[in-house]
Amino acid sequence: NAGVMQNPRHLVRRRGQEARLRCSPMKGHSHVYWYRQLPEEGLKFMVYLQKENIIDESGMPKERFSAEFPKEGPSILRIQQVVRGDSAAYFCASSYQSDTEAFFGQGTRLTVV
Amino acid sequence: GDSVTQMEGPVTLSEEAFLTINCTYTATGYPSLFWYVQYPGEGLQLLLKATKADDKGSNKGFEATYRKETTSFHLEKGSVQVSDSAVYFCALLYSSASKIIFGSGTRLSIRP
Repeated sequence: NAGVMQNPRHLVRRRGQEARLRCSPMKGHSHVYWYRQLPEEGLKFMVYLQKENIIDESGMPKERFSAEFPKEGPSILRIQQVVRGDSAAYFCASSYQSDTEAFFGQGTRLTVV
Repeated sequence: GDSVTQMEGPVTLSEEAFLTINCTYTATGYPSLFWYVQYPGEGLQLLLKATKADDKGSNKGFEATYRKETTSFHLEKGSVQVSDSAVYFCALLYSSASKIIFGSGTRLSIRP
């Protein structure tokens, strides 16, 4: 029973490029969260999705960032025109229902050079 | 608004010492409470949980009791090991909510 799978684990992008981060939830889970973590800091909520729907995107920057969770396939966090300040670890978590515990992936560490 | 407050770190202890990491929360209802642990370079792992008042969550020698009267969920372990060195996060989740609210994390270092 695989856990939450995120890929890639490490991603290097030049300023201005696009970054695509993928998250495959645990089997049977239809709820996905994305969080960002800066070095030596806590977790900042970005977005909460259910299959095909964005439920809460209150933590997402208004520009350049988008997320989706299609009916088939992984959830995608997309960052357009990356800047140095986007360098961080991005974690995805999934849960079976909205009120059950969430399980985290290993994260994608994005470095913008 | 809802929030979680953890004791500031870093916390440094000797092996076999008793551990307490304080966590208090502010919430208008009755959330579920969690402790997560993050080892260096890794994601968060669920350590334990409690879903209602007076519940005690336990795992790997760690324990935490959901105290509604003091709005607390302190993490304890009777005898820590070097392998317990990590960052610990307290968190809450409502059944009707759309996000898990995390505390700022407490870094724990255990000396041999």
